[in-house]
Amino acid sequence: EAQVTQNPRYLITVTGKKLTVTCSQNMNHEYMSWYRQDPGLGLRQIYYSMNVEVTDKGDVPEGYKVSRKEKRNFPLILESPSPNQTSLYFCASSVTGVSTGELFFGEGSRLTVL
Amino acid sequence: AQSVAQPEDQVNVAEGNPLTVKCTYSVSGNPYLFWYVQYPNRGLQFLLKYITGDNLVKGSYGFEAEFNKSQTSFHLKKPSALVSDSALYFCAVRVPVYNTDKLIFGTGTRLQVFP
Repeated sequence: EAQVTQNPRYLITVTGKKLTVTCSQNMNHEYMSWYRQDPGLGLRQIYYSMNVEVTDKGDVPEGYKVSRKEKRNFPLILESPSPNQTSLYFCASSVTGVSTGELFFGEGSRLTVL
Repeated sequence: AQSVAQPEDQVNVAEGNPLTVKCTYSVSGNPYLFWYVQYPNRGLQFLLKYITGDNLVKGSYGFEAEFNKSQTSFHLKKPSALVSDSALYFCAVRVPVYNTDKLIFGTGTRLQVFP
């Protein structure tokens, strides 16, 4: 089954404790992206990747890191989480980008930073 | 500035009645427009898109959307609502960035269909 898989789905952590949210897709998509969803703000892009070893900042990259060492994986790293990073995070992928193709989303990772 | 707006936080409609979820956009050049739906505790799912051609676009689950260039709108519609259509709906517009494109999402409209 074609899917984007995120882990963990739910996480409660404390300020400053490094964490990684994994994302994996099995569709051989070149493009992958991370979004955060906050009430009243919709979805905002954190980082995106056009292909392996190519990553770029989105609209809200501060406090986050990503890597794309393999085509299928695109982990989101919070080196020193802060409470303002409490949010619902989504990973998404598409064949080559967003111009004409649809994005496939994971089911989300709800992160709480205390 | 390039943006997309969903003026209604929530839309309530009775089952069997037609529904409309509104979206307006501001973008330079030809707009590429999308609708996504998010069911509770799930990721977003693609519903439909407008790239070019016929102004009325048909998508999944019986939804359609009408592109209106003069009003810069892309409203989502369905002739007869179902309780199962209750979800959060996002409009999105493509904007170019230096090496690719990205989607700008609206703030979402919660659709509540009552039996």
